[in-house]
Amino acid sequence: GAVVSQHPSRVICKSGTSVKIECRSLDFQATTMFWYRQFPKQSLMLMATSNEGSKATYEQGVEKDKFLINHASLTLSTLTVTSAHPEDSSFYICSASGGGSMVFAYTFGSGTRLTVV
Amino acid sequence: AQKITQTQPGMFVQEKEAVTLDCTYDTSDQSYGLFWYKQPSSGEMIFLIYQGSYDEQNATEGRYSLNFQKARKSANLVISASQLGDSAMYFCAMREGLAGGTSYGKLTFGQGTILTVHP
Repeated sequence: GAVVSQHPSRVICKSGTSVKIECRSLDFQATTMFWYRQFPKQSLMLMATSNEGSKATYEQGVEKDKFLINHASLTLSTLTVTSAHPEDSSFYICSASGGGSMVFAYTFGSGTRLTVV
Repeated sequence: AQKITQTQPGMFVQEKEAVTLDCTYDTSDQSYGLFWYKQPSSGEMIFLIYQGSYDEQNATEGRYSLNFQKARKSANLVISASQLGDSAMYFCAMREGLAGGTSYGKLTFGQGTILTVHP
């Protein structure tokens, strides 16, 4: 089946620093990747959609200069949280889509718990 | 307006009993897809079941079945013979529009339901 690897699983960073989260599709080509943010016991909120080789499309209210998304290849997308602040602490999860069977239409990474201190 | 609504913040069920998690949706598209995911405390999203808007039969996957009532715009998840390991948060999600090509459109998620299975 389709596998998406997300790293790191947990990260603690100091306020004002930047953090990069990687999302890799291991056995399929992900033409589209989605980045979500989730607060405890809440739903997944879509932050942005990235298509390989083009600029990401951000959802309303998401600061594109703060959450930089790069999708340079068909197997890798990165989310960089720039100048992180404590309010950016959250669970970030990616989802990769490469078409094919609907069962594998959206394959999720295991998520990254970001804590900004 | 909410596109996906899960009205049960929390549900409790006895082990080996069946439980139904509610999901209603709102869309004007003729072609759409409905998904259910399980999210344990570890955070990973586990795909459970899928129902396409044109599928005439209700989807089933092992102990999971989807009660699809198109006219009511509801897609409830039924878990039969609950197990302790079923305790988790469950999300209903919808993809709108035509699927095709090499990728699909975005998923919209409901608020989620926390299911607790008691021994």
